[in-house]
Amino acid sequence: AQTVTQSQPEMSVQEAETVTLSCTYDTSESDYYLFWYKQPPSRQMILVIRQEAYKQQNATENRFSVNFQKAAKSFSLKISDSQLGDAAMYFCAYRQMEYGNKLVFGAGTILRVKS
Amino acid sequence: EAQVTQNPRYLITVTGKKLTVTCSQNMNHEYMSWYRQDPGLGLRQIYYSMNVEVTDKGDVPEGYKVSRKEKRNFPLILESPSPNQTSLYFCASSSLERYNEQFFGPGTRLTVL
Repeated sequence: AQTVTQSQPEMSVQEAETVTLSCTYDTSESDYYLFWYKQPPSRQMILVIRQEAYKQQNATENRFSVNFQKAAKSFSLKISDSQLGDAAMYFCAYRQMEYGNKLVFGAGTILRVKS
Repeated sequence: EAQVTQNPRYLITVTGKKLTVTCSQNMNHEYMSWYRQDPGLGLRQIYYSMNVEVTDKGDVPEGYKVSRKEKRNFPLILESPSPNQTSLYFCASSSLERYNEQFFGPGTRLTVL
Protein backbone atom coordinates (compact mmCIF):
# COMPACT_ATOMS: atom_id res chain seq x y z
CA ALA A 1 0.00 0.00 0.00
CA GLN A 2 1.12 3.51 -0.68
CA THR A 3 2.27 5.60 2.25
CA VAL A 4 3.07 9.27 2.64
CA THR A 5 5.44 10.54 5.32
CA GLN A 6 5.82 14.10 6.55
CA SER A 7 8.68 14.04 9.03
CA GLN A 8 8.26 17.61 10.32
CA PRO A 9 5.32 17.91 12.72
CA GLU A 10 5.92 21.67 13.05
CA MET A 11 7.90 24.33 11.24
CA SER A 12 8.40 28.04 11.81
CA VAL A 13 9.38 30.76 9.39
CA GLN A 14 9.90 34.47 9.65
CA GLU A 15 7.63 36.63 7.55
CA ALA A 16 9.11 37.27 4.06
CA GLU A 17 11.52 34.34 4.43
CA THR A 18 11.48 31.01 2.61
CA VAL A 19 10.54 27.68 4.13
CA THR A 20 10.56 24.13 2.78
CA LEU A 21 8.21 21.40 3.95
CA SER A 22 9.30 17.81 3.38
CA CYS A 23 7.32 14.86 2.09
CA THR A 24 8.35 11.38 1.07
CA TYR A 25 6.16 8.61 -0.27
CA ASP A 26 6.33 4.96 -1.06
CA THR A 27 4.73 3.43 -4.12
CA SER A 28 5.25 0.76 -6.72
CA GLU A 29 3.28 2.65 -9.36
CA SER A 30 5.03 4.51 -12.15
CA ASP A 31 2.28 7.01 -12.85
CA TYR A 32 0.58 8.99 -10.13
CA TYR A 33 -0.15 12.46 -8.84
CA LEU A 34 1.07 14.33 -5.81
CA PHE A 35 -0.57 17.23 -4.05
CA TRP A 36 -0.04 19.75 -1.29
CA TYR A 37 -3.13 20.88 0.61
CA LYS A 38 -3.37 23.77 3.03
CA GLN A 39 -5.71 23.63 6.02
CA PRO A 40 -6.06 26.98 7.80
CA PRO A 41 -7.80 27.31 11.17
CA SER A 42 -11.14 27.37 9.33
CA ARG A 43 -10.43 23.66 8.60
CA GLN A 44 -11.19 24.09 4.90
CA MET A 45 -9.00 21.92 2.66
CA ILE A 46 -7.39 24.11 0.00
CA LEU A 47 -5.38 22.70 -2.89
CA VAL A 48 -2.05 24.50 -3.08
CA ILE A 49 -0.24 22.71 -5.86
CA ARG A 50 -0.17 19.41 -7.73
CA GLN A 51 2.46 17.48 -9.63
CA GLU A 52 2.06 14.78 -12.24
CA ALA A 53 4.69 12.08 -11.84
CA TYR A 54 5.39 11.74 -15.55
CA LYS A 55 6.26 15.44 -15.82
CA GLN A 56 9.86 16.17 -14.95
CA GLN A 57 9.29 19.89 -14.59
CA ASN A 58 8.54 20.98 -11.06
CA ALA A 59 5.14 22.62 -10.58
CA THR A 60 4.94 26.25 -9.53
CA GLU A 61 2.01 28.36 -8.32
CA ASN A 62 3.00 31.93 -7.52
CA ARG A 63 5.01 31.78 -4.25
CA PHE A 64 4.61 28.02 -3.98
CA SER A 65 6.84 25.56 -5.78
CA VAL A 66 7.75 21.92 -5.41
CA ASN A 67 10.96 19.94 -5.65
CA PHE A 68 9.88 16.61 -7.10
CA GLN A 69 12.52 13.90 -7.02
CA LYS A 70 10.87 10.81 -8.50
CA ALA A 71 13.75 8.41 -7.96
CA ALA A 72 14.08 9.45 -4.34
CA LYS A 73 10.25 9.52 -3.92
CA SER A 74 10.47 12.97 -2.47
CA PHE A 75 8.04 15.85 -2.93
CA SER A 76 8.89 18.97 -0.93
CA LEU A 77 6.99 22.25 -0.90
CA LYS A 78 8.83 25.55 -0.93
CA ILE A 79 7.02 28.70 0.17
CA SER A 80 8.79 31.90 -0.78
CA ASP A 81 8.20 35.33 0.74
CA SER A 82 6.15 33.78 3.55
CA GLN A 83 3.09 35.70 4.66
CA LEU A 84 1.06 35.57 7.86
CA GLY A 85 -1.79 34.04 5.86
CA ASP A 86 0.40 31.05 5.05
CA ALA A 87 0.15 29.86 8.64
CA ALA A 88 -1.75 26.58 8.49
CA MET A 89 -1.50 22.82 8.54
CA TYR A 90 -0.05 21.50 5.28
CA PHE A 91 -0.79 18.02 4.03
CA CYS A 92 1.09 16.13 1.36
CA ALA A 93 -1.10 13.68 -0.56
CA TYR A 94 -0.71 10.96 -3.15
CA ARG A 95 -3.41 9.97 -5.57
CA GLN A 96 -3.75 6.28 -6.17
CA MET A 97 -4.58 5.12 -9.67
CA GLU A 98 -6.36 2.10 -8.27
CA TYR A 99 -9.37 2.05 -5.95
CA GLY A 100 -11.02 5.04 -7.49
CA ASN A 101 -9.84 8.52 -6.74
CA LYS A 102 -8.48 7.95 -3.26
CA LEU A 103 -6.00 10.39 -1.80
CA VAL A 104 -3.45 9.04 0.66
CA PHE A 105 -2.40 11.77 3.07
CA GLY A 106 0.61 12.38 5.26
CA ALA A 107 0.21 13.30 8.92
CA GLY A 108 0.61 17.00 8.20
CA THR A 109 3.02 19.78 9.10
CA ILE A 110 1.94 22.81 11.11
CA LEU A 111 3.52 25.94 9.70
CA ARG A 112 3.85 28.98 11.97
CA VAL A 113 4.73 32.35 10.50
CA LYS A 114 6.38 34.89 12.77
CA SER A 115 6.00 38.61 12.23
CA GLU B 1 -21.51 28.60 -6.59
CA ALA B 2 -19.90 25.19 -6.97
CA GLN B 3 -19.62 23.62 -3.56
CA VAL B 4 -19.78 20.61 -1.30
CA THR B 5 -21.94 21.08 1.77
CA GLN B 6 -21.97 19.04 4.95
CA ASN B 7 -24.41 19.03 7.83
CA PRO B 8 -24.13 19.33 10.68
CA ARG B 9 -20.85 21.21 11.05
CA TYR B 10 -20.59 20.30 14.72
CA LEU B 11 -22.18 17.43 16.60
CA ILE B 12 -21.86 16.13 20.13
CA THR B 13 -23.60 12.84 20.77
CA VAL B 14 -23.52 9.83 23.06
CA THR B 15 -22.38 6.30 22.50
CA GLY B 16 -24.84 4.16 20.60
CA LYS B 17 -27.13 6.91 19.32
CA LYS B 18 -27.44 6.55 15.55
CA LEU B 19 -26.52 9.59 13.52
CA THR B 20 -26.19 10.68 9.91
CA VAL B 21 -23.86 13.29 8.47
CA THR B 22 -25.13 14.57 5.16
CA CYS B 23 -23.02 15.53 2.17
CA SER B 24 -24.29 17.19 -0.96
CA GLN B 25 -22.57 18.55 -4.06
CA ASN B 26 -24.01 20.72 -6.83
CA MET B 27 -21.42 19.98 -9.53
CA ASN B 28 -22.89 16.76 -10.94
CA HIS B 29 -19.79 14.89 -9.84
CA GLU B 30 -19.70 11.13 -10.17
CA TYR B 31 -17.09 10.49 -7.50
CA MET B 32 -17.71 11.18 -3.82
CA SER B 33 -15.86 10.03 -0.73
CA TRP B 34 -15.62 10.41 3.02
CA TYR B 35 -12.44 10.98 5.02
CA ARG B 36 -11.74 11.27 8.70
CA GLN B 37 -8.96 13.42 10.07
CA ASP B 38 -7.17 12.53 13.29
CA PRO B 39 -4.09 14.14 14.87
CA GLY B 40 -0.88 12.51 13.72
CA LEU B 41 -2.70 10.42 11.11
CA GLY B 42 -3.75 12.94 8.49
CA LEU B 43 -6.89 12.14 6.52
CA ARG B 44 -7.93 8.58 5.88
CA GLN B 45 -10.59 7.43 3.47
CA ILE B 46 -13.67 5.77 4.99
CA TYR B 47 -15.86 5.01 1.96
CA TYR B 48 -16.14 6.16 -1.60
CA SER B 49 -18.64 6.04 -4.44
CA MET B 50 -17.93 6.06 -8.16
CA ASN B 51 -21.55 6.76 -9.08
CA VAL B 52 -25.16 6.18 -8.01
CA GLU B 53 -25.61 2.84 -6.24
CA VAL B 54 -21.85 2.13 -6.48
CA THR B 55 -20.00 2.31 -3.17
CA ASP B 56 -16.89 0.67 -1.77
CA LYS B 57 -14.79 0.58 1.37
CA GLY B 58 -11.82 2.79 1.92
CA ASP B 59 -9.10 2.25 4.48
CA VAL B 60 -11.12 2.66 7.69
CA PRO B 61 -14.73 1.58 7.01
CA GLU B 62 -15.47 -0.20 10.30
CA GLY B 63 -18.42 1.31 12.14
CA TYR B 64 -19.65 3.34 9.16
CA LYS B 65 -22.22 2.93 6.41
CA VAL B 66 -22.92 4.98 3.31
CA SER B 67 -25.48 5.11 0.57
CA ARG B 68 -25.65 6.74 -2.86
CA LYS B 69 -29.23 6.85 -3.98
CA GLU B 70 -28.88 10.17 -5.76
CA LYS B 71 -25.89 11.54 -7.59
CA ARG B 72 -25.66 14.71 -5.50
CA ASN B 73 -25.92 13.13 -2.02
CA PHE B 74 -23.61 10.81 -0.12
CA PRO B 75 -24.59 10.51 3.55
CA LEU B 76 -22.34 8.96 6.17
CA ILE B 77 -24.19 6.84 8.72
CA LEU B 78 -22.93 5.83 12.14
CA GLU B 79 -25.35 3.16 13.35
CA SER B 80 -23.86 2.89 16.85
CA PRO B 81 -21.24 5.58 17.38
CA SER B 82 -18.37 4.95 19.78
CA PRO B 83 -15.84 7.37 21.31
CA ASN B 84 -13.14 6.23 18.88
CA GLN B 85 -15.22 7.77 16.09
CA THR B 86 -14.68 11.20 17.56
CA SER B 87 -13.00 12.96 14.68
CA LEU B 88 -13.16 15.60 11.99
CA TYR B 89 -14.98 14.31 8.91
CA PHE B 90 -14.67 15.54 5.35
CA CYS B 91 -16.73 14.80 2.30
CA ALA B 92 -15.09 15.25 -1.10
CA SER B 93 -16.22 15.03 -4.71
CA SER B 94 -14.79 15.16 -8.19
CA SER B 95 -15.79 14.41 -11.74
CA LEU B 96 -14.31 11.36 -13.38
CA GLU B 97 -12.91 13.52 -16.19
CA ARG B 98 -11.18 16.01 -13.91
CA TYR B 99 -10.30 13.60 -11.17
CA ASN B 100 -7.37 15.69 -9.95
CA GLU B 101 -9.68 18.44 -8.81
CA GLN B 102 -11.26 17.16 -5.64
CA PHE B 103 -13.60 19.55 -3.89
CA PHE B 104 -13.79 19.22 -0.14
CA GLY B 105 -16.67 20.08 2.12
CA PRO B 106 -16.15 22.34 5.15
CA GLY B 107 -15.81 19.45 7.60
CA THR B 108 -17.93 18.08 10.43
CA ARG B 109 -16.53 17.98 13.94
CA LEU B 110 -18.04 14.94 15.70
CA THR B 111 -17.63 14.19 19.39
CA VAL B 112 -18.95 10.92 20.78
CA LEU B 113 -19.18 10.84 24.58
